[in-house]
Amino acid sequence: DQQVKQNSPSLSVQEGRISILNCDYTNSMFDYFLWYKKYPAEGPTFLISISSIKDKNEDGRFTVFLNKSAKHLSLHIVPSQPGDSAVYFCAASGPSNTGNQFYFGTGTSLTVIP
Amino acid sequence: GAGVSQSPSNKVTEKGKDVELRCDPISGHTALYWYRQSLGQGLEFLIYFQGNSAPDKSGLPSDRFSAERTGGSVSTLTIQRTQQEDSAVYLCASSHLPSRFSQATYEQYFGPGTRLTVT
Repeated sequence: DQQVKQNSPSLSVQEGRISILNCDYTNSMFDYFLWYKKYPAEGPTFLISISSIKDKNEDGRFTVFLNKSAKHLSLHIVPSQPGDSAVYFCAASGPSNTGNQFYFGTGTSLTVIP
Repeated sequence: GAGVSQSPSNKVTEKGKDVELRCDPISGHTALYWYRQSLGQGLEFLIYFQGNSAPDKSGLPSDRFSAERTGGSVSTLTIQRTQQEDSAVYLCASSHLPSRFSQATYEQYFGPGTRLTVT
């Protein structure tokens, strides 16, 4: 059963506009969330994270929002750049998990059109 | 310094053969993780090492899968009697020992993966 879901397999955005990638989770015990970016033939690279004590974390053009009541998080990229074109995975972890197990979504492929 | 490396980058094997995948984590990283990504699927957790011990093997799909880590460094994932459904990209990641008190320790650094194809 998929505990972390990314319901949009793909997204296209014009350069300079905002990209919004969404992620939903089912386990209310999750308390730490991360976004990873993945280029073809490379491993995922860490992008940004947020803990459940916050509802927003910002790093340059990237902002992650967390809505605990809705069990929803989103990644905003503004302004979007062609180099942002990649697959984005969200991941979640919680204190009930031993071994720091992360649950990943299926990814959203973002294409930024020049 | 060097990142996480994995070998081989690609492996094609016949159904029923055994394969061994290798991961070299970042030096000093105590935690090591194996994931796999099948076509159209998200990253699936397989196993986690803390040093040389594996406190969490819950993700291993079957008893054909095993993993070990020696010297707190290199890890090998072995798949015996491979099946076509084992075809996937196998990713290794390493991090400092997870701590609830330091956000930085949660960052996992991934290798480029091994693409396994079972024919």
